[in-house]
Amino acid sequence: QQQVKQSPQSLIVQKGGISIINCAYENTAFDYFPWYQQFPGKGPALLIAIRPDVSEKKEGRFTISFNKSAKQFSLHIMDSQPGDSATYFCAASQGGGGNKLTFGTGTQLKVEL
Amino acid sequence: DVKVTQSSRYLVKRTGEKVFLECVQDMDHENMFWYRQDPGLGLRLIYFSYDVKMKEKGDIPEGYSVSREKKERFSLILESASTNQTSMYLCASNQNNSPLHFGNGTRLTVT
Repeated sequence: QQQVKQSPQSLIVQKGGISIINCAYENTAFDYFPWYQQFPGKGPALLIAIRPDVSEKKEGRFTISFNKSAKQFSLHIMDSQPGDSATYFCAASQGGGGNKLTFGTGTQLKVEL
Repeated sequence: DVKVTQSSRYLVKRTGEKVFLECVQDMDHENMFWYRQDPGLGLRLIYFSYDVKMKEKGDIPEGYSVSREKKERFSLILESASTNQTSMYLCASNQNNSPLHFGNGTRLTVT
């Protein structure tokens, strides 16, 4: 039972381009939607998070877009850099925080020069 | 800076062995979690704990147990390791509803 569906599984983007990763969820009780970034050999680390009372959140080159009616949210990486090459996981939880997160399946991003 | 330390980076065990994966956090966090990470499946919650000596099942607890005797330490136990438990295991901790902090993982191979 996959409650958070993530796509694509892998993504190759040219340096300076926009990377877009999409997630869809089923449980309407979810109220916290973080994105985690994982580099090889490291654990995931929080990148950016959003709550459903806003439709967009931006932190530097990273933006989350949130569509409550469609039950979808996405990560946009502007001006993608080789250092952004990593695996990205979307996640969702009920109760407003990091407890009992349900993760997506992950997207392996490669940014080429 | 929060540090979550997993005692082993790589572990190779034989089928049927009892396996202990150890995790220690240094920020006095109330909550600790064990996830396993598999390609194409993402991270799946095995067990979590909101307090010492307290545990709750996650989404895939079968074949695993946990122990939390001290606040800073959370152990994952494979009672009788099987090949389908070959995976990357990630420990995490947080306080209340703050973001999760993950360790760097233990890659377990069961032969």
